[in-house]
Amino acid sequence: DGGITQSPKYLFRKEGQNVTLSCEQNLNHDAMYWYRQDPGQGLRLIYYSQIVNDFQKGDIAEGYSVSREKKESFPLTVTSAQKNPTAFYLCASSIGDRGTEAFFGQGTRLTVV
Amino acid sequence: EDQVTQSPEALRLQEGESSSLNCSYTVSGLRGLFWYRQDPGKGPEFLFTLYSAGEEKEKERLKATLTKKESFLHITAPKPEDSATYLCAVNSRDYKLTFGKGTLLTVNP
Repeated sequence: DGGITQSPKYLFRKEGQNVTLSCEQNLNHDAMYWYRQDPGQGLRLIYYSQIVNDFQKGDIAEGYSVSREKKESFPLTVTSAQKNPTAFYLCASSIGDRGTEAFFGQGTRLTVV
Repeated sequence: EDQVTQSPEALRLQEGESSSLNCSYTVSGLRGLFWYRQDPGKGPEFLFTLYSAGEEKEKERLKATLTKKESFLHITAPKPEDSATYLCAVNSRDYKLTFGKGTLLTVNP
């Protein structure tokens, strides 16, 4: 089945540690996105990538980093510089044309302990 | 900057009681307006894409409509399984989607 796989589903991190969230898609989509969701805030864009080896900052990129070495994969690293990392993280992909819908993975819930 | 405002924030209906959710938007050149359904702890599930004013899309008990300033998601004779958060998003001049904060719908049996 084609889809977007995020792992792990739950992740716990100690303060001061970097952590990487995985996102893989087998939809042959060119564009991939990372969103953060907090209660009452809606979805906010962290980073997006239209093609391999290229990505752009979204609205809340500070404290995060990404890479796009393969079309299928778009990992997100939450660094120790992110002041409030506890949130629900969602990865999405689309065919990449303007006006096309994005499809989401099931999310990773990150908790800083 | 694109802006999306959804109302109401929360809506409680009795089973069978039809209603509508609103999504108002401000964009510079709409490329697409999208509706998603999100269940607790899950990723958003795509429902509809609308491109131009006057367009309508239907799926089971849901019907989405679009004007130049807003979109409505009409829910006809809802069932408890329709309970979820409904998200609206727009795409305009670049490739990213801008989301509203969502409407939490609860349908009581």
